[in-house]
Amino acid sequence: DQQVKQNSPSLSVQEGRISILNCDYTNSMFDYFLWYKKYPAEGPTFLISISSIKDKNEDGRFTVFLNKSAKHLSLHIVPSQPGDSAVYFCAASSIQGAQKLVFGQGTRLTINP
Amino acid sequence: ETGVTQTPRHLVMGMTNKKSLKCEQHLGHNAMYWYKQSAKKPLELMFVYSLEERVENNSVPSRFSPECPNSSHLFLHLHTLQPEDSALYLCASSQQGIPGNTIYFGEGSWLTVV
Repeated sequence: DQQVKQNSPSLSVQEGRISILNCDYTNSMFDYFLWYKKYPAEGPTFLISISSIKDKNEDGRFTVFLNKSAKHLSLHIVPSQPGDSAVYFCAASSIQGAQKLVFGQGTRLTINP
Repeated sequence: ETGVTQTPRHLVMGMTNKKSLKCEQHLGHNAMYWYKQSAKKPLELMFVYSLEERVENNSVPSRFSPECPNSSHLFLHLHTLQPEDSALYLCASSQQGIPGNTIYFGEGSWLTVV
């Protein structure tokens, strides 16, 4: 049972435009959501997070939006840069779940020059 | 520099070998994790250690044996592995007990079982 889903395995965006990565979850107990970025042959690096008490968190070019009623979150990257090309993982956790992270399958983002 | 270092970065082992993966975290965290990433699969949580006690074992075969001697070090002992165990093994750490639980990963150990 996949509690966190990223339905787009890949996304291609022109440099300078906005990249939007989507993530859906099924467990209403999740109260903390994170995005990780992963380059080949490296471990995931933490990018940005959001608590369930918020609906938006912004950090530079990266903004995460949370829609609790739709159980959906998205990561916006603007403007997109070639160095943003990587696999992006959405993850979620809950206090009740001992704060263990549950990951989505990942979306490979390619930024075209 | 992620604050979580893993060695070796690459390991090739035969099915009858015994080897170990090592992880060290320099972040002062109280929890450490082993994750497995296979091709085309989500990251799979294998083990969780909180305050040096194993609190999670996600139905991992006994040929994988974790060890956490202190809050900064974590090992994954490997023996009689199968070719399907070939994957990227990721160590991570976090500070449990505070709101939000951001996990920080090491760079991973690529394991190939031949």
